[in-house]
Amino acid sequence: AQKVTQAQTEISVVEKEDVTLDCVYETRDTTYYLFWYKQPPSGELVFLIRRNSFDEQNEISGRYSWNFQKSTSSFNFTITASQVVDSAVYFCALSDFAQGGSEKLVFGKGTKLTVNP
Amino acid sequence: DVKVTQSSRYLVKRTGEKVFLECVQDMDHENMFWYRQDPGLGLRLIYFSYDVKMKEKGDIPEGYSVSREKKERFSLILESASTNQTSMYLCASSFLYRDRGSTEAFFGQGTRLTVV
Repeated sequence: AQKVTQAQTEISVVEKEDVTLDCVYETRDTTYYLFWYKQPPSGELVFLIRRNSFDEQNEISGRYSWNFQKSTSSFNFTITASQVVDSAVYFCALSDFAQGGSEKLVFGKGTKLTVNP
Repeated sequence: DVKVTQSSRYLVKRTGEKVFLECVQDMDHENMFWYRQDPGLGLRLIYFSYDVKMKEKGDIPEGYSVSREKKERFSLILESASTNQTSMYLCASSFLYRDRGSTEAFFGQGTRLTVV
Protein backbone atom coordinates (compact mmCIF):
# COMPACT_ATOMS: atom_id res chain seq x y z
CA ALA A 1 0.00 0.00 0.00
CA GLN A 2 1.08 3.54 -0.65
CA LYS A 3 2.40 5.46 2.31
CA VAL A 4 3.73 8.97 2.83
CA THR A 5 5.67 10.00 5.92
CA GLN A 6 6.28 13.59 6.93
CA ALA A 7 8.29 13.17 10.08
CA GLN A 8 8.34 16.87 10.99
CA THR A 9 5.06 17.77 12.65
CA GLU A 10 5.91 21.42 13.23
CA ILE A 11 8.78 23.68 12.23
CA SER A 12 9.38 27.22 13.37
CA VAL A 13 11.90 29.52 11.70
CA VAL A 14 12.75 33.18 11.60
CA GLU A 15 12.10 35.11 8.43
CA LYS A 16 14.84 34.82 5.78
CA GLU A 17 15.99 31.45 7.04
CA ASP A 18 16.02 28.53 4.62
CA VAL A 19 13.84 25.59 5.62
CA THR A 20 13.51 22.05 4.28
CA LEU A 21 10.39 19.95 4.68
CA ASP A 22 10.99 16.23 4.47
CA CYS A 23 8.84 13.68 2.68
CA VAL A 24 9.50 9.94 2.47
CA TYR A 25 7.23 7.63 0.53
CA GLU A 26 6.60 3.93 0.03
CA THR A 27 5.21 2.41 -3.12
CA ARG A 28 5.48 -0.75 -5.19
CA ASP A 29 4.47 1.04 -8.36
CA THR A 30 7.12 1.76 -10.96
CA THR A 31 5.17 4.71 -12.27
CA TYR A 32 3.85 7.17 -9.77
CA TYR A 33 3.47 10.86 -9.10
CA LEU A 34 4.48 12.93 -6.12
CA PHE A 35 2.86 16.18 -5.07
CA TRP A 36 3.23 19.02 -2.64
CA TYR A 37 0.29 21.12 -1.46
CA LYS A 38 0.17 24.19 0.74
CA GLN A 39 -2.72 24.85 3.13
CA PRO A 40 -2.66 28.43 4.41
CA PRO A 41 -4.78 29.46 7.41
CA SER A 42 -7.71 30.12 5.07
CA GLY A 43 -8.00 26.35 4.65
CA GLU A 44 -7.98 25.75 0.90
CA LEU A 45 -5.27 23.42 -0.36
CA VAL A 46 -3.08 25.01 -3.02
CA PHE A 47 -1.22 22.83 -5.50
CA LEU A 48 2.52 23.46 -5.65
CA ILE A 49 4.11 20.71 -7.74
CA ARG A 50 3.52 17.36 -9.42
CA ARG A 51 6.52 15.19 -10.20
CA ASN A 52 6.66 12.06 -12.36
CA SER A 53 8.64 9.12 -10.97
CA PHE A 54 10.75 8.99 -14.13
CA ASP A 55 11.91 12.55 -13.79
CA GLU A 56 14.51 12.89 -11.06
CA GLN A 57 15.65 16.35 -11.99
CA ASN A 58 15.39 18.86 -9.20
CA GLU A 59 12.91 21.63 -9.73
CA ILE A 60 13.15 25.27 -8.76
CA SER A 61 10.34 27.78 -8.80
CA GLY A 62 11.31 31.11 -7.32
CA ARG A 63 12.13 30.56 -3.66
CA TYR A 64 10.79 27.01 -3.78
CA SER A 65 12.84 23.97 -4.76
CA TRP A 66 12.23 20.26 -4.69
CA ASN A 67 14.73 17.43 -4.40
CA PHE A 68 13.50 14.07 -5.66
CA GLN A 69 15.68 11.04 -4.89
CA LYS A 70 14.33 7.62 -5.83
CA SER A 71 17.26 5.89 -4.13
CA THR A 72 16.03 7.11 -0.76
CA SER A 73 12.34 7.40 -1.70
CA SER A 74 12.33 11.04 -0.73
CA PHE A 75 10.83 14.17 -2.19
CA ASN A 76 11.95 17.06 -0.04
CA PHE A 77 10.81 20.65 -0.32
CA THR A 78 13.03 23.64 0.44
CA ILE A 79 11.94 27.23 0.90
CA THR A 80 14.79 29.69 0.52
CA ALA A 81 14.71 32.99 2.39
CA SER A 82 11.41 32.18 4.07
CA GLN A 83 8.74 34.83 4.51
CA VAL A 84 5.85 35.18 6.93
CA VAL A 85 3.43 34.42 4.07
CA ASP A 86 4.99 30.97 3.82
CA SER A 87 3.40 30.06 7.15
CA ALA A 88 1.06 27.19 6.39
CA VAL A 89 0.61 23.45 6.64
CA TYR A 90 2.40 21.65 3.83
CA PHE A 91 1.32 18.25 2.61
CA CYS A 92 3.25 15.75 0.55
CA ALA A 93 1.15 13.27 -1.44
CA LEU A 94 1.64 10.16 -3.57
CA SER A 95 -0.54 8.89 -6.39
CA ASP A 96 -2.35 5.61 -6.01
CA PHE A 97 -3.77 4.20 -9.22
CA ALA A 98 -7.37 3.16 -8.93
CA GLN A 99 -10.39 2.02 -10.90
CA GLY A 100 -10.90 3.32 -14.40
CA GLY A 101 -7.28 4.39 -14.70
CA SER A 102 -7.84 7.24 -12.33
CA GLU A 103 -5.55 8.30 -9.53
CA LYS A 104 -6.32 9.05 -5.96
CA LEU A 105 -3.89 10.75 -3.63
CA VAL A 106 -2.43 9.41 -0.43
CA PHE A 107 -1.37 12.25 1.85
CA GLY A 108 1.17 12.57 4.58
CA LYS A 109 0.06 14.04 7.88
CA GLY A 110 1.46 17.42 7.03
CA THR A 111 4.12 19.75 8.42
CA LYS A 112 3.06 22.99 10.01
CA LEU A 113 5.53 25.72 9.16
CA THR A 114 5.57 28.94 11.14
CA VAL A 115 7.75 31.77 9.90
CA ASN A 116 8.26 34.42 12.52
CA PRO A 117 9.13 38.01 11.65
CA ASP B 1 -9.23 28.64 -13.39
CA VAL B 2 -10.62 25.45 -11.97
CA LYS B 3 -13.31 26.07 -9.45
CA VAL B 4 -14.37 23.54 -6.88
CA THR B 5 -17.17 24.84 -4.73
CA GLN B 6 -18.49 23.33 -1.55
CA SER B 7 -21.98 24.34 -0.56
CA SER B 8 -21.22 25.37 3.00
CA ARG B 9 -18.17 26.69 4.80
CA TYR B 10 -19.50 25.91 8.26
CA LEU B 11 -22.24 23.53 9.29
CA VAL B 12 -23.67 22.52 12.66
CA LYS B 13 -25.88 19.44 12.84
CA ARG B 14 -27.42 17.32 15.54
CA THR B 15 -26.56 13.71 16.29
CA GLY B 16 -28.66 11.36 14.21
CA GLU B 17 -29.44 13.86 11.47
CA LYS B 18 -28.91 12.97 7.83
CA VAL B 19 -26.35 15.42 6.46
CA PHE B 20 -25.61 16.30 2.85
CA LEU B 21 -22.37 17.96 1.82
CA GLU B 22 -22.41 19.17 -1.74
CA CYS B 23 -19.50 19.78 -4.10
CA VAL B 24 -19.57 21.19 -7.61
CA GLN B 25 -16.70 21.57 -10.07
CA ASP B 26 -16.81 23.57 -13.27
CA MET B 27 -13.99 22.02 -15.30
CA ASP B 28 -15.57 18.81 -16.60
CA HIS B 29 -13.28 16.66 -14.44
CA GLU B 30 -13.89 12.93 -14.35
CA ASN B 31 -12.43 12.34 -10.89
CA MET B 32 -13.97 13.70 -7.73
CA PHE B 33 -12.95 13.01 -4.15
CA TRP B 34 -14.08 13.52 -0.58
CA TYR B 35 -11.41 13.77 2.08
CA ARG B 36 -11.66 14.30 5.79
CA GLN B 37 -9.01 16.32 7.61
CA ASP B 38 -8.35 15.95 11.32
CA PRO B 39 -5.49 17.37 13.40
CA GLY B 40 -2.52 15.04 13.46
CA LEU B 41 -4.09 12.67 10.94
CA GLY B 42 -3.70 14.61 7.71
CA LEU B 43 -6.15 14.03 4.90
CA ARG B 44 -7.91 10.70 4.67
CA LEU B 45 -9.92 9.61 1.66
CA ILE B 46 -13.55 8.77 2.32
CA TYR B 47 -14.86 8.06 -1.19
CA PHE B 48 -13.99 8.93 -4.73
CA SER B 49 -15.66 8.74 -8.11
CA TYR B 50 -14.07 8.42 -11.54
CA ASP B 51 -17.24 8.76 -13.57
CA VAL B 52 -20.92 9.50 -13.24
CA LYS B 53 -22.63 6.94 -11.02
CA MET B 54 -19.28 5.26 -10.30
CA LYS B 55 -17.89 5.30 -6.80
CA GLU B 56 -15.10 3.66 -4.89
CA LYS B 57 -14.50 3.40 -1.17
CA GLY B 58 -11.51 5.15 0.24
CA ASP B 59 -9.77 4.46 3.51
CA ILE B 60 -12.56 5.48 5.90
CA PRO B 61 -15.96 4.97 4.22
CA GLU B 62 -17.84 3.76 7.30
CA GLY B 63 -20.76 5.99 8.18
CA TYR B 64 -20.69 7.76 4.82
CA SER B 65 -22.17 7.33 1.38
CA VAL B 66 -21.85 9.33 -1.83
CA SER B 67 -23.85 10.20 -4.89
CA ARG B 68 -22.73 11.29 -8.32
CA GLU B 69 -25.69 11.69 -10.64
CA LYS B 70 -24.09 14.42 -12.75
CA LYS B 71 -20.46 14.81 -13.74
CA GLU B 72 -20.02 18.16 -12.05
CA ARG B 73 -21.57 17.29 -8.70
CA PHE B 74 -20.42 14.91 -5.98
CA SER B 75 -22.36 14.66 -2.75
CA LEU B 76 -21.20 13.23 0.55
CA ILE B 77 -23.94 11.87 2.79
CA LEU B 78 -23.72 11.20 6.49
CA GLU B 79 -26.58 8.78 7.00
CA SER B 80 -26.85 9.39 10.74
CA ALA B 81 -24.41 12.01 11.96
CA SER B 82 -22.36 11.23 15.02
CA THR B 83 -20.07 13.40 17.11
CA ASN B 84 -17.00 11.54 15.83
CA GLN B 85 -17.79 12.84 12.38
CA THR B 86 -17.06 16.38 13.50
CA SER B 87 -14.29 17.35 11.14
CA MET B 88 -13.15 19.40 8.14
CA TYR B 89 -14.39 17.90 4.88
CA LEU B 90 -12.55 18.65 1.65
CA CYS B 91 -13.80 17.99 -1.85
CA ALA B 92 -11.42 17.74 -4.80
CA SER B 93 -11.51 17.04 -8.51
CA SER B 94 -8.99 16.12 -11.18
CA PHE B 95 -8.95 15.54 -14.91
CA LEU B 96 -8.23 12.04 -16.17
CA TYR B 97 -6.02 11.58 -19.19
CA ARG B 98 -6.71 8.05 -20.37
CA ASP B 99 -3.13 7.56 -21.53
CA ARG B 100 -1.16 9.32 -18.79
CA GLY B 101 -3.05 9.37 -15.55
CA SER B 102 -4.68 12.27 -13.86
CA THR B 103 -3.83 15.90 -13.36
CA GLU B 104 -3.21 17.30 -9.95
CA ALA B 105 -6.28 17.52 -7.74
CA PHE B 106 -7.97 20.88 -7.18
CA PHE B 107 -9.59 21.41 -3.82
CA GLY B 108 -12.60 23.28 -2.56
CA GLN B 109 -12.45 25.61 0.41
CA GLY B 110 -13.62 22.95 2.85
CA THR B 111 -16.68 22.47 5.05
CA ARG B 112 -16.16 22.50 8.78
CA LEU B 113 -18.86 20.23 10.17
CA THR B 114 -19.70 20.16 13.84
CA VAL B 115 -22.05 17.45 15.11
CA VAL B 116 -23.55 18.20 18.50
